Amino acid sequence: EPEVTQTPSHQVTQMGQEVILRCVPISNHLYFYWYRQILGQKVEFLVSFYNNEISEKSEIFDDQFSVERPDGSNFTLKIRSTKLEDSAMYFCASSQSRASGEQYFGPGTRLTVT
Amino acid sequence: AQTVTQSQPEMSVQEAETVTLSCTYDTSESDYYLFWYKQPPSRQMILVIRQEAYKQQNATENRFSVNFQKAAKSFSLKISDSQLGDAAMYFCAYRSGRHFGNEKLTFGTGTRLTIIP
Repeated sequence: EPEVTQTPSHQVTQMGQEVILRCVPISNHLYFYWYRQILGQKVEFLVSFYNNEISEKSEIFDDQFSVERPDGSNFTLKIRSTKLEDSAMYFCASSQSRASGEQYFGPGTRLTVT
Repeated sequence: AQTVTQSQPEMSVQEAETVTLSCTYDTSESDYYLFWYKQPPSRQMILVIRQEAYKQQNATENRFSVNFQKAAKSFSLKISDSQLGDAAMYFCAYRSGRHFGNEKLTFGTGTRLTIIP
């Protein structure tokens, strides 16, 4: 069964450093999303992406964040200058169509900022 | 803005018994989707079941079923014949039915389900 994959599974970085989180969505999916979950809290939406542009973003997704689909398979989330409060689990999700409503999640990347 | 509320932070059930997890939501929209996701200790988010608001029939997936009460804005998940592998955090989520630029999932705070052998 096709699935969303994410790398790395765990990333440790120092405050102020740039990180890139990588995702490979399900191959015939066209809509891509990033969410984050701070430990012990609920999952929060960051950004949605379609046709090489952002279709929606949350207040969390400020100028420190960017997304890119550099090729036909990868979808990345970049944090330019990490802060301690960026420590969280980051989930990538993909969807085949808006109409179906279903989003399939990857296993997540645990980001630890020290 | 839509909100999702899960008022039960923790629930427990005996193996093989039935348990119901509660979820309420607030929206002014008439067209939307509701979901239950399961998050086991591995922290992967797994889609359990989905309900379209325009459908009156409650969704069912094997041992999982929902009780969707649109007027009451309630969306509970019933797990029958509970198994040890059902132990997880369960999140209720809402998605607008308006298509462009409104696909984000809004999650509740979750209910941690423990299965007692």
